[in-house]
Amino acid sequence: NAGVTQTPKFRILKIGQSMTLQCTQDMNHNYMYWYRQDPGMGLKLIYYSVGAGITDKGEVPNGYNVSRSTTEDFPLRLELAAPSQTSVYFCASRPRGEMGIYEQYFGPGTRLTVT
Amino acid sequence: GESVGLHLPTLSVQEGDNSIINCAYSNSASDYFIWYKQESGKGPQFIIDIRSNMDKRQGQRVTVLLNKTVKHLSLQIAATQPGDSAVYFCAENRGTGRRALTFGSGTRLQVQP
Repeated sequence: NAGVTQTPKFRILKIGQSMTLQCTQDMNHNYMYWYRQDPGMGLKLIYYSVGAGITDKGEVPNGYNVSRSTTEDFPLRLELAAPSQTSVYFCASRPRGEMGIYEQYFGPGTRLTVT
Repeated sequence: GESVGLHLPTLSVQEGDNSIINCAYSNSASDYFIWYKQESGKGPQFIIDIRSNMDKRQGQRVTVLLNKTVKHLSLQIAATQPGDSAVYFCAENRGTGRRALTFGSGTRLQVQP
């Protein structure tokens, strides 16, 4: 299994541009998550999904959109990039958690700079 | 508000010593806790987890202790090695049915040779 993969690894955007960060997992996990991590800080939840067709906001959803048309994919869309969105973005997934285990598996991250 | 937090932002230890990283939580409904390690430029990596019905769990060179009375979690790393240098995050699941973990702000562990 490749686990959680993210593309691109790096991207530089100009203010006002749009882009989609891709995330794919091959573990058949129901739950998927998007986080952002600012320098020297912890992870902040942007959006999450508990299954195909279902998404919900996290702590910091403004300026982002998501969709979940398949179990495998959970793209994150930035419509009008702003400097405040400069960050490292991590995608994660986990199984349903029937055994009371909620471990999330993380991708390698996308480093985004908005100038 | 309720949060997961850490006492020490940076911990420096000598190679071979034991390391203890602490984490406080405030939600008494939290039923599951997890420690992640994040090396520079990489995504968080699972270290060890513990459910609230346990007070100790051991892995390879790592032990997690949970004190529900004072809402405190710690990660102990035995015989710390240079490869242990990283940022360590604790996270909690705030009760059955919650769909997302809540992460702390992290502690940087620096291992001196």
